[in-house]
Amino acid sequence: DTEVTQTPKHLVMGMTNKKSLKCEQHMGHRAMYWYKQKAKKPPELMFVYSYEKLSINESVPSRFSPECPNSSLLNLHLHALQPEDSALYLCASSQATGKSYEQYFGPGTRLTVT
Amino acid sequence: AQSVSQHNHHVILSEAASLELGCNYSYGGTVNLFWYVQYPGQHLQLLLKYFSGDPLVKGIKGFEAEFIKSKFSFNLRKPSVQWSDTAEYFCAVISGTYKYIFGTGTRLKVLA
Repeated sequence: DTEVTQTPKHLVMGMTNKKSLKCEQHMGHRAMYWYKQKAKKPPELMFVYSYEKLSINESVPSRFSPECPNSSLLNLHLHALQPEDSALYLCASSQATGKSYEQYFGPGTRLTVT
Repeated sequence: AQSVSQHNHHVILSEAASLELGCNYSYGGTVNLFWYVQYPGQHLQLLLKYFSGDPLVKGIKGFEAEFIKSKFSFNLRKPSVQWSDTAEYFCAVISGTYKYIFGTGTRLKVLA
């Protein structure tokens, strides 16, 4: 099973709402990632978790709050977002043994902030 | 810091034409390179990867790429494209252990 699943597929939220994006993988990967992809742009790294600990935060605003409750799950909690945060949010996973490995991507959650 | 550049932003080809997409990276020590494809409405999929060894790497769907260290390049090739190859193609390099840096992407349209 080389699948990374993400829910929901689409999300529309107002600027005062609180919502969460979910990501799951069952490949035994211990590194998980959140990316943001704007239309016609490459994915931009937001956060990396390694062994359930936050390893990289690419200076992401605090209105985005990641959480890794266990080795298979990754959440992204959203609060007080701005319209410019509308984008495709991608989750990915990879092995995490100190070397570099290919990342497996989920289909993404398309977020619209109104 | 590592960076990746893809000079071809849009490419239009007829079926059966040969494809070569350029990818150049900045030097930063050990290089691990990838090509990903994003078909319309689908998730990013790994086409091929280079970590070490043979600089000519073969991937899925008939794609290959050649790592040329002296030119800091990792160009993607396919001898004969199909309509189903219409997609966006991203070159990526790893900086450190986890940080992918993507190129700006190349949108390929194959005319039937």
